[in-house]
Amino acid sequence: AQKVTQAQTEISVVEKEDVTLDCVYETRDTTYYLFWYKQPPSGELVFLIRRNSFDEQNEISGRYSWNFQKSTSSFNFTITASQVVDSAVYFCALSEAGDDKIIFGKGTRLHILP
Amino acid sequence: EAGVTQFPSHSVIEKGQTVTLRCDPISGHDNLYWYRRVMGKEIKFLLHFVKESKQDESGMPNNRFLAERTGGTYSTLKVQPAELEDSGVYFCASSVFRPPGEQYFGPGTRLTVT
Repeated sequence: AQKVTQAQTEISVVEKEDVTLDCVYETRDTTYYLFWYKQPPSGELVFLIRRNSFDEQNEISGRYSWNFQKSTSSFNFTITASQVVDSAVYFCALSEAGDDKIIFGKGTRLHILP
Repeated sequence: EAGVTQFPSHSVIEKGQTVTLRCDPISGHDNLYWYRRVMGKEIKFLLHFVKESKQDESGMPNNRFLAERTGGTYSTLKVQPAELEDSGVYFCASSVFRPPGEQYFGPGTRLTVT
């Protein structure tokens, strides 16, 4: 069965601190895709990254980085030197090859305190 | 380029009434998806259109929900009659390619059934 678990419901950190959002997934497929979405206060879901199951290389985009480890079925997201504008709900998600749906976790609400 | 738009942004109706939600995808996107987030739970897939055809409606909760996409442009999601448990945020997304192509999400419609 497909499942995405984001154990951290809510996190608060002070601006400029680093913060890591955890994501653990379950799937029986060998080909799948992992995503992170950001939901700012305006409500829309903003795509951040997509990773396929054959590419375990970590990715860095500015202050954002992602650590994909198949051995632990995890796809964690780190924000370095956090800023107040990073405050949002972040969703980790999974899609299996050939499937139309994206399976979302419950989300982690991140508060960056000034 | 205009993003995915949804109307209304918020709807409050009484149990037993009918509500119709509308989604306008990004122009040229053949794929259109509906998702729903009930309070405190995951964002869950409802259905997927390719142009005007329903490709996958496995997530539709019951026959009180009817989705249409006449002409393959905008889509409507009708709930009739609405029940209390239908309250939540309904998201629409569109994409050029089928999954795992990037899905662009709208801001959602918050539905409150009292």
